[in-house]
Amino acid sequence: AQSVTQLGSHVSVSEGALVLLRCNYSSSVPPYLFWYVQYPNQGLQLLLKYTSAATLVKGINGFEAEFKKSETSFHLTKPSAHMSDAAEYFCAVAGTASKLTFGTGTRLQVTL
Amino acid sequence: DADVTQTPRNRITKTGKRIMLECSQTKGHDRMYWYRQDPGLGLRLIYYSFDVKDINKGEISDGYSVSRQAQAKFSLSLESAIPNQTALYFCATSDLTSGNTGELFFGEGSRLTVL
Repeated sequence: AQSVTQLGSHVSVSEGALVLLRCNYSSSVPPYLFWYVQYPNQGLQLLLKYTSAATLVKGINGFEAEFKKSETSFHLTKPSAHMSDAAEYFCAVAGTASKLTFGTGTRLQVTL
Repeated sequence: DADVTQTPRNRITKTGKRIMLECSQTKGHDRMYWYRQDPGLGLRLIYYSFDVKDINKGEISDGYSVSRQAQAKFSLSLESAIPNQTALYFCATSDLTSGNTGELFFGEGSRLTVL
């Protein structure tokens, strides 16, 4: 079975500061890993995905994530936070039959 | 227009009532899913379907049923709604290509409140 753990349900950063959202996974097979973002009153949209190609994955809006097998991690980063980044972020792992298992989410707050 | 459309977007109902949430998609995808989102719990899979004749239970299917009326339509029913089914419900789709990597495309959600 696959699972993901997101450390920190709420993260607050200042505008311009580094964003780091943590995700650790558990998988019995080589995983496919995803980060989704949910803006208020909207559905989820894909930020980026790891599919066993390059370990450093670049996504939309300046986000990137690095797959580290030794640490079973797939942390999401952005060098400089913007007010528009305020949202809820979900890490997910693809298991059997293309079913995604989601983490519990991290709400990012960006302050002036 | 959205590629994945959910109706209704908001619904308030009473305990014991039957509720249907509908999902339609114009992406031409074979695979459709229903997830439920609760604060602090993330998204949990209720049911999924890989084609019109294929229906599978997810991790929290009790109290729910689904119908795949066509490739483009997948509805979720609560036969007798109860308050702990109050949640935000998402429909999602994927195709064989993106499905191999698991990428899902989501609707905007249906917020259900059961009083």
